[in-house]
Amino acid sequence: NAGVTQTPKFRILKIGQSMTLQCAQDMNHNYMYWYRQDPGMGLKLIYYSVGAGITDKGEVPNGYNVSRSTTEDFPLRLELAAPSQTSVYFCASRVAGKTVNTQYFGPGTRLTVL
Amino acid sequence: AQSVTQLGSHVSVSEGALVLLRCNYSSSVPPYLFWYVQYPNQGLQLLLKYTSAATLVKGINDFEAEFKKSETSFHLTKPSAHMSDAAEYFCAVSSQNAGNMLTFGGGTRLMVKP
Repeated sequence: NAGVTQTPKFRILKIGQSMTLQCAQDMNHNYMYWYRQDPGMGLKLIYYSVGAGITDKGEVPNGYNVSRSTTEDFPLRLELAAPSQTSVYFCASRVAGKTVNTQYFGPGTRLTVL
Repeated sequence: AQSVTQLGSHVSVSEGALVLLRCNYSSSVPPYLFWYVQYPNQGLQLLLKYTSAATLVKGINDFEAEFKKSETSFHLTKPSAHMSDAAEYFCAVSSQNAGNMLTFGGGTRLMVKP
C-alpha cells in the first residue's frame, strides 16, 4: 500500500490564484482530514469527511473548500489564495469506528502565497 | 471543548540522557491520547496512543508515556536519547463526536547534542 499520498509537494502561488491540493489513500479508510501546520504551531483541522459525499468544517475552514466523491480521494480547494494561507498542508485518513483508531498522515504539501 | 498543552516548545538533551516531553490535556470525557513524531520535511508518524487499557503505554523506538488522570497529563519519556530522535513531537487528543478529529498541542522540538 502507498498509504496517504499528496500532490504537489511544493507550490508557490500568487495572491488571488486558485489551486487544488490532491490527497488520496489506498487503505479503504472512510474518514479523511485536512490540516494546516503553521511555523511553531500544532496542526489545525480545516475540513474532514466521514465518507463519500459527506464533508464538514473543522476549526479553520475559511478560504477553503473540499469535496469527497470517492472513498479514495479528498481534494482541498483554495479559491482566492491569500498570504495567510502560506502553510504546510497535511492530509490524513483513518478507519471509521472507534475513537482510538489511528490517523495516518501524508507527507504534506508546502504552499507559499506571495 | 478539548485542548492540549505541551510545555516547552524546545527541549535539548545530550545523547544518552533521559528524554521527557510534557503534555497536559483538558477533556470533559475520558480522553484518547496520542503522541506523534515529525521528522524534518516529513508527515506525522504515530509513536504511541492511550486507549484506556493500561496507564503506561509503550511505543516505537523505546518511547513510552504514562497517563495520569489526577494530573491530566500524558508525558512522553525515553531512557536514553539517540541522535536520530531529533524531531518535533506532538501530543493530541481525539474527540468523541462525529469525525473523531484530533486536537493537537503546539509541538515540542527535541534537539539531541552529541
